Amino acid sequence: DSGVTQTPKHLITATGQRVTLRCSPRSGDLSVYWYQQSLDQGLQFLIQYYNGEERAKGNILERFSAQQFPDLHSELNLSSLELGDSALYFCASSSTGGGTGELFFGEGSRLTVL
Amino acid sequence: ELKVEQNPLFLSMQEGKNYTIYCNYSTTSDRLYWYRQDPGKSLESLFVLLSNGAVKQEGRLMASLDTKARLSTLHITAAVHDLSATYVCAVDDTNTDMCFGAGTRLTVKP
Repeated sequence: DSGVTQTPKHLITATGQRVTLRCSPRSGDLSVYWYQQSLDQGLQFLIQYYNGEERAKGNILERFSAQQFPDLHSELNLSSLELGDSALYFCASSSTGGGTGELFFGEGSRLTVL
Repeated sequence: ELKVEQNPLFLSMQEGKNYTIYCNYSTTSDRLYWYRQDPGKSLESLFVLLSNGAVKQEGRLMASLDTKARLSTLHITAAVHDLSATYVCAVDDTNTDMCFGAGTRLTVKP
């Protein structure tokens, strides 16, 4: 158990809909990262937050947004969903802000868009 | 742009055999990580290599880092079926986010 909690574990929805994925980092970790992993693909970095502030942005679509709350949990919002958004979405946390440091991953949220 | 390349991407080996997975990267970073991922599961941290010449071993897996060559290796000794998984290396550069390799899908056959 990495200490990173993600909900929901599975989510099935229709095209055009909006979903919110939630992540609670390990106790004490200030950084939260979101990654997308499509079927048989590597991890694609989406976005990083450090202590409530956006720190780095990767290949995140404009239809996607995220935030980190004062209690350090984070939410990834995916809107106007398309079939191609079906993927595993991982949240990871670390204690560092500059340079990633060792990442601890949650179990992931599997999103299926029908 | 930081790039991380692993090879091979697919590896099928017999139990009891040895093999090495390679991870090349394009930056001068001296922080490299190896993760294991089972199908549909999360990434589990295996090794953290933080300096040139670092070598770490856990069971049948041994990882090393050569920052001058920008190369890390993951050596598998006397493979067993339980080692079947995808092994992913990642490099951390202070100025960028962590960059992951595509992963090496290892299948160990009886």
